[in-house]
Amino acid sequence: ETGVTQTPRHLVMGMTNKKSLKCEQHLGHNAMYWYKQSAKKPLELMFVYSLEERVENNSVPSRFSPECPNSSHLFLHLHTLQPEDSALYLCASSLGTQNTEAFFGQGTRLTVV
Amino acid sequence: DQQVKQNSPSLSVQEGRISILNCDYTNSMFDYFLWYKKYPAEGPTFLISISSIKDKNEDGRFTVFLNKSAKHLSLHIVPSQPGDSAVYFCAASSTSGTYKYIFGTGTRLKVLA
Repeated sequence: ETGVTQTPRHLVMGMTNKKSLKCEQHLGHNAMYWYKQSAKKPLELMFVYSLEERVENNSVPSRFSPECPNSSHLFLHLHTLQPEDSALYLCASSLGTQNTEAFFGQGTRLTVV
Repeated sequence: DQQVKQNSPSLSVQEGRISILNCDYTNSMFDYFLWYKKYPAEGPTFLISISSIKDKNEDGRFTVFLNKSAKHLSLHIVPSQPGDSAVYFCAASSTSGTYKYIFGTGTRLKVLA
């Protein structure tokens, strides 16, 4: 248990569906991240929020839309996804200061059919 | 272009022996390095880190070595145990940039009993 909770753990959605992934941390961290892990690829950074402001957007398609309503919660809204978007989506948080580690949630295994 | 590389996708080691996992990076702005361990269907778990002002950091059975001139770091696990079998990711970050962690592709370690 790292203190970062992601829901749901598994999600199957059709290409026309709209769904949201949720991430929650109560560690007092002020930076939150979405990563994508596809098979045989490194963890790909998608978005970074620092103090609820998006500070990094790594050329992610607009069908992925992040939202950070407060420093404890992070969402990833999904719509009209493609089968190649099937992956493990990982949320992480960090204290946002120098030389600290990021703590990861368990991930959401997303399958797009 | 991959800034953090783990060139060995897998490694098998006998129980009780030393496991050495290697990682290379290309960006000289990186100044903080981390190792994570990941089991299937779970998020990565932080293991150990090292700042660029050091060349070694030790925590129990885990030691990380950093060679800045070679842009190389390694994780030593001794003695290796069957429970260490997992995928190990190295990650790098820069304190001069936004808070983000760049990951390698991972090395699957199998410790044989």
